[in-house]
Amino acid sequence: DAGVTQSPTHLIKTRGQQVTLRCSPKSGHDTVSWYQQALGQGPQFIFQYYEEEERQRGNFPDRFSGHQFPNYSSELNVNALLLGDSALYLCASSSWTGEVTGELFFGEGSRLTVL
Amino acid sequence: KQEVTQIPAALSVPEGENLVLNCSFTDSAIYNLQWFRQDPGKGLTSLLLIQSSQREQTSGRLNASLDKSSGRSTLYIAASQPGDSATYLCAALFNNDMRFGAGTRLTVKP
Repeated sequence: DAGVTQSPTHLIKTRGQQVTLRCSPKSGHDTVSWYQQALGQGPQFIFQYYEEEERQRGNFPDRFSGHQFPNYSSELNVNALLLGDSALYLCASSSWTGEVTGELFFGEGSRLTVL
Repeated sequence: KQEVTQIPAALSVPEGENLVLNCSFTDSAIYNLQWFRQDPGKGLTSLLLIQSSQREQTSGRLNASLDKSSGRSTLYIAASQPGDSATYLCAALFNNDMRFGAGTRLTVKP
């Protein structure tokens, strides 16, 4: 049983460029959440997708957008990259319980460096 | 504002010692609390999940407790080993908004 997989593992971009990160959830999971983790800090919630719709969003600008596909996989897009967007981007999958999201399982992350 | 705090930020202990990591949260209306382990540059590995109706969970040498009324959770690690060296994060789920602490960086010396 594959866990949560993310791609790419590392990437380098320059300011102003756009980036797309991808995530495949753990088998049986229908909810995908994205987090940004700066060095030495805890992960910060970006948004959560369920049934191909953004269910909840954290305090991130509209430059951050996402998508969920019918097979539950998800993409995170960041436009007009800033130096401060350099971070580890983590994807977490879970099962929606009908009231709240269940236990989170994380991928290994995508390390984005913006020069 | 819903916040999660972890103390201490870093901890160094000799091998074999029992230790406690602390996590506090500002809002008692949590749905669950989850403890994670993170190795440098890696993703998060789930250790224990405590539902709001539970008081504690155990897995091997790990025991996590939850006291909603006081806004606290503790992670107890028994007989620590060098392989336990990592950053430990707690996360509280508030109405589908999961908030993380900054973590405790644990070093277990042989």
